[in-house]
Amino acid sequence: GIQVEQSPPDLILQEGANSTLRCNFSDSVNNLQWFHQNPWGQLINLFYIPSGTKQNGRLSATTVATERYSLLYISSSQTTDSGVYFCAVGGFGNEKLTFGTGTRLTIIP
Amino acid sequence: GAGVSQSPSNKVTEKGKDVELRCDPISGHTALYWYRQSLGQGLEFLIYFQGNSAPDKSGLPSDRFSAERTGGSVSTLTIQRTQQEDSAVYLCASSLWGVTEAFFGQGTRLTVV
Repeated sequence: GIQVEQSPPDLILQEGANSTLRCNFSDSVNNLQWFHQNPWGQLINLFYIPSGTKQNGRLSATTVATERYSLLYISSSQTTDSGVYFCAVGGFGNEKLTFGTGTRLTIIP
Repeated sequence: GAGVSQSPSNKVTEKGKDVELRCDPISGHTALYWYRQSLGQGLEFLIYFQGNSAPDKSGLPSDRFSAERTGGSVSTLTIQRTQQEDSAVYLCASSLWGVTEAFFGQGTRLTVV
């Protein structure tokens, strides 16, 4: 099956800083999503982005499908951005979503 | 409803008992996923339903685990003879079809004592 690796595993930043989270995957995909899991365990949809670039407020994401990676950018971090960020992918003929191990982001006031 | 609904929110059961977890997907969504998340860990795939196709059961950890989806809508995950290692949050998601955006429910926290 598809392997998904996320980096870094942990990230601690001061409020106001910018960050870049990376997701590498081992095969061609036709589905890629970024999620934020908040401290209460709820998975919040951030981006559905199998290719291209999207922006939503302080967050943006880019997927370069031909090079098998995706990046999530968070600008001007706030304490509410803390939590775990997951990348999940689905492949051609293998539609189940496979999750990476996540990046735990901690924003310090 | 507007989102994916799971019940119960919390379940405490004695070791050896059977449990049933329910998932109500978003209306009209043909794809449904079950995942398991142990404390502090990532999401472990369990089973995937897509329309009338045979489900992808490749993630079920043992034959004590089974799932069904009735009428292409509600799904039930059944765990027989529960063990302490089954304690986890069980998450359900649905999507319009297999390669579209998936939305998760709030999960069922299962504790086996």
